[in-house]
Amino acid sequence: AQTVTQSQPEMSVQEAETVTLSCTYDTSESNYYLFWYKQPPSRQMILVIRQEAYKQQNATENRFSVNFQKAAKSFSLKISDSQLGDTAMYFCAFMPRGGKLIFGQGTELSVKP
Amino acid sequence: DTAVSQTPKYLVTQMGNDKSIKCEQNLGHDTMYWYKQDSKKFLKIMFSYNNKELIINETVPNRFSPKSPDKAHLNLHINSLELGDSAVYFCASSQEGDRGYEQYFGPGTRLTVT
Repeated sequence: AQTVTQSQPEMSVQEAETVTLSCTYDTSESNYYLFWYKQPPSRQMILVIRQEAYKQQNATENRFSVNFQKAAKSFSLKISDSQLGDTAMYFCAFMPRGGKLIFGQGTELSVKP
Repeated sequence: DTAVSQTPKYLVTQMGNDKSIKCEQNLGHDTMYWYKQDSKKFLKIMFSYNNKELIINETVPNRFSPKSPDKAHLNLHINSLELGDSAVYFCASSQEGDRGYEQYFGPGTRLTVT
């Protein structure tokens, strides 16, 4: 079975600091996609960043970047220069090509002033 | 313009009632989904439709019935509501393309069964 594990239920970081959220997944597929979604208190699900498994280069989106280690099945999210608006639940998600999106349990991130 | 919209945003009802949640997307996507987020914030797919055809049907009680009148709409009807149905229900849509099945989510519907 395909699973996604986020081992950090809660994390906190000081404003302007850097934080890394961990995610590991288990699959026998070779062609898949990985995502990080953000869910602020408004509960809207917002895509933060995505990564295609066939691409070796780590994805970046402004202050957000990933460390994708395919052999280790690891997909961590780094948030640089943390801002108060980054306070949210963060979900790691895995999707095999043509399959369904599978979410991790989520990491609740608090950015403190 | 809202990309994926759901109505209502909040729904409070009593056990045993029947209720529907509506979803519409104006992105021209072929595929739509329903997800359930439980009280521990865990998100799980319930159904997926592609061009009005059911393609994913997870282990969901028969009381839940999705209906897709056209590819821009996917409604969720729930019969004989139970306390355990209380959750946030999200609609989403996607289109295969160079962004690889990126899913766009609606704002969610918080269902409370009393």
